[in-house]
Amino acid sequence: EVKLVESGGGLVQPGRSLKLSCAASGFSFNDYWMGWVRQAPGKGLEWIGEINQDSSTINYTPSLKDKFTISRDNAQNTLYLQMSKLGSEDTAIYYCASECGYWGQGVMVTVSS
Amino acid sequence: DVLMTQTPVSLPVSLGGQVSISCRSSQSLVHSDGNTYLHWYLQKPGQSPQLLIYRVSNRFSGVPDRFSGSGSGTDFTLKISRVEPEDLGVYYCLQSTHFPPTFGGGTKLELK
Repeated sequence: EVKLVESGGGLVQPGRSLKLSCAASGFSFNDYWMGWVRQAPGKGLEWIGEINQDSSTINYTPSLKDKFTISRDNAQNTLYLQMSKLGSEDTAIYYCASECGYWGQGVMVTVSS
Repeated sequence: DVLMTQTPVSLPVSLGGQVSISCRSSQSLVHSDGNTYLHWYLQKPGQSPQLLIYRVSNRFSGVPDRFSGSGSGTDFTLKISRVEPEDLGVYYCLQSTHFPPTFGGGTKLELK
């Protein structure tokens, strides 16, 4: 069974940083591109970025590239999203997504003082 | 960025009925490799989006044949026949032909 489990979310103060993780199992993690998508409360879906199998190519939505860093550890079957200089506009559910079609259940990030 | 426009925003349906959702893009979604990277997702209440259809018309693993996708260029349609209770939720189209990938605004399928 394919599983993608995000963690690391929670309440964070404006201007601070946070790192999310996505633990993958049930498929060959290092064979697929992986990505992050977010969804603000009551809103639609926004693509953040993606990383290829060996981390040699990382693409970000241009409007978000200065705030997010995507990385992966194939030995640990884990995808990461480093978020910096967070603002209230970054409050959202963050999903990891695999090229093979599966998404995680999401993790909530709330930016508030 | 490619603008994806979904219609309608809300779609009342009776169980057992048939519905269609439209997704239009601001530019052609035909990739230089010849493929069209237009996909459909369903987000059920309180859940993450799940892939239904990939590359216009291919059903993802486990998706019933009540779901079908069609279209080309800039105009795409998702059809759902014999609607069941588990089909209710918000449907999104996604294009990944052009970077960054962009989603439609969503269509909420709800009971009449």
